[in-house]
Amino acid sequence: QLQLQESGPGLVKPSETLSLTCSVSGVSISSGSFYWGWIRQPPGKGLEWIGTTHFTGSSYYKPSLTSRVTISADTSKNQFSLRLSSVTAADTAVYYCARLDYEYSYYYGMDVWGQGTTVTVSS
Amino acid sequence: EIVLTQSPGNLSFSPGERATLSCRASQSLSSTYLAWYQQKPGQAPRLLIYGASSRATGIPDRFSGSGSGTDFTLTISRLEPEDFAVYYCQHYGSSHSCSFGQGTKLEIK
Repeated sequence: QLQLQESGPGLVKPSETLSLTCSVSGVSISSGSFYWGWIRQPPGKGLEWIGTTHFTGSSYYKPSLTSRVTISADTSKNQFSLRLSSVTAADTAVYYCARLDYEYSYYYGMDVWGQGTTVTVSS
Repeated sequence: EIVLTQSPGNLSFSPGERATLSCRASQSLSSTYLAWYQQKPGQAPRLLIYGASSRATGIPDRFSGSGSGTDFTLTISRLEPEDFAVYYCQHYGSSHSCSFGQGTKLEIK
């Protein structure tokens, strides 16, 4: 059964780097048509896409976060990661990882999600 | 970046009624790249619709999507108690740019 599980520190200090990992089980992240993404949700607010990666090394980011974010895949561990630098209180959110089904320029949606992990930015 | 506007922010219906949720894009987009999600409190979002009108696996047929260009709609034909939640539309473009609408909360009247 396909499962995604986020892991990482629940508390990060301002100006430091937030690092999260999404462990994937039940399917190889090297499966060609799938991309892997991070989405966050600040308390009481809506969903915000952070970025997407593919096992080939391609990554795509929300323009306003490009200077601070890195998303990459580790095929040897079947996981992908998020690094967000210079965090502030505005980065406090529930962070979700998700699988994107995108094949031959057709988008089939974010069909599998992790349960989410809460990250608080505070000193 | 395409901006998606969902209106209204809140809707109230009784179980058994028909609900229509709107999603308007700031520019015309291909329906290929339009999806809808349902989110309940404390849960991750769940994919309902992709390609503007195709139901995801396991989604009941009371959920349907339609639209083209800049105007898209999610319709729930007969509301069940478990359908009261927040609904988001999403655009994921050919250049791997992505945006979500701000959400519509469906409440029990």
